[in-house]
Amino acid sequence: GAVVSQHPSWVICKSGTSVKIECRSLDFQATTMFWYRQFPKQSLMLMATSNEGSKATYEQGVEKDKFLINHASLTLSTLTVTSAHPEDSSFYICSAASTGTSYGELFFGEGSRLTVL
Amino acid sequence: AQSVTQLDSHVSVSEGTPVLLRCNYSSSYSPSLFWYVQHPNKGLQLLLKYTSAATLVKGINGFEAEFKKSETSFHLTKPSAHMSDAAEYFCVVWGDNNNDMRFGAGTRLTVKP
Repeated sequence: GAVVSQHPSWVICKSGTSVKIECRSLDFQATTMFWYRQFPKQSLMLMATSNEGSKATYEQGVEKDKFLINHASLTLSTLTVTSAHPEDSSFYICSAASTGTSYGELFFGEGSRLTVL
Repeated sequence: AQSVTQLDSHVSVSEGTPVLLRCNYSSSYSPSLFWYVQHPNKGLQLLLKYTSAATLVKGINGFEAEFKKSETSFHLTKPSAHMSDAAEYFCVVWGDNNNDMRFGAGTRLTVKP
């Protein structure tokens, strides 16, 4: 099946710094990528939908200036957590939708665990 | 608007016994439905999907699910649980809009020896 790669898988940073997480579709083109946040023992919360070449669509309650999303190519989307604080510590997961079918299957990255000290 | 409800937050079975993870959905459209599995600190892996073809869908690792429109259900089953099946399972409904996707709260499956 298709592969989605996230990098880094683990990151620890100091409060106030910015962290960038990459999501790549390795063997297919993804016009749409999704970013989620997952708290311990909870479901995935959709943060935003990233469309190649256009601005991301954020879910209600998600700060656009805090979580910057860029989808510069058909195989890469990035999430930048700006001025990170301890409450931003979480597991962030991306997914990419394959094209060519009416209901594209979602392929998920392995996730990136962010710890802000 | 769409929604999905996973009726059990935690299911515990003994190895070798059947598994039933329940999912009910609500959708204005004819939805696509998915089951994903997540092992600790990992991303999600697709188990199976229903996209308006056969109502009984077979997936990987011996799992299957049946789409029942009259009951608005898409329960996940496996005849015989294996220790490696212990994980978190998510039911997902995806409608007519690529952005209109809803995750269930998840069901944690524990398999006892």
